[in-house]
Amino acid sequence: DAGVIQSPRHEVTEMGQEVTLRCKPISGHDYLFWYRQTMMRGLELLIYFNNNVPIDDSGMPEDRFSAKMPNASFSTLKIQPSEPRDSAVYFCASSLRNRGHESLVFGPGTRLTVL
Amino acid sequence: GEDVEQSLFLSVREGDSSVINCTYTDSSSTYLYWYKQEPGAGLQLLTYIFSNMDMKQDQRLTVLLNKKDKHLSLRIADTQTGDSAIYFCAESFSGGYNKLIFGAGTRLAVHP
Repeated sequence: DAGVIQSPRHEVTEMGQEVTLRCKPISGHDYLFWYRQTMMRGLELLIYFNNNVPIDDSGMPEDRFSAKMPNASFSTLKIQPSEPRDSAVYFCASSLRNRGHESLVFGPGTRLTVL
Repeated sequence: GEDVEQSLFLSVREGDSSVINCTYTDSSSTYLYWYKQEPGAGLQLLTYIFSNMDMKQDQRLTVLLNKKDKHLSLRIADTQTGDSAIYFCAESFSGGYNKLIFGAGTRLAVHP
């Protein structure tokens, strides 16, 4: 397996633009997570899905952020409109329920810069 | 509330032991974890310890858990330059199956 795949790896955009981050989890994993990493706030859980259904989105900062998982092999995190304070590294991770946290695998991240 | 705290930076000489410390708040945590993040990469699970254990050893890594003080440590023996990375402590939050709470990370710098 190629691991968790995220695209793009780097994104630079201007304030007010829409940004879409993409994730392909490991095949067979039934949990998918979106994390955000910043110097100020560390690693924050934004939202997670189980079997494509959003379970906990309490970490999503505000209505400008939305996430979808239309099928077991694809998820998106969208920011519209983007703001400079959204600049961060966004990680996608996936895991398998019956193997617990030790199966959690992170993607390489998308570094987002909003000018 | 949920909080995991770590010191932000540690510098050691190559060949020495490194000890990275972490404190957590959720006494009902089931598992505690150490992750490693190398530059430009995601987090990789290094090791974990079940909350009913005091110690776990895995090659050069030793994890110590003091439940009374809610203190977790990671010792890396014979630290190498390849160990330079950011190390994150995490606890599994009792309020949700997969809600891991991460510390801010400790940046380990290994110098000759």
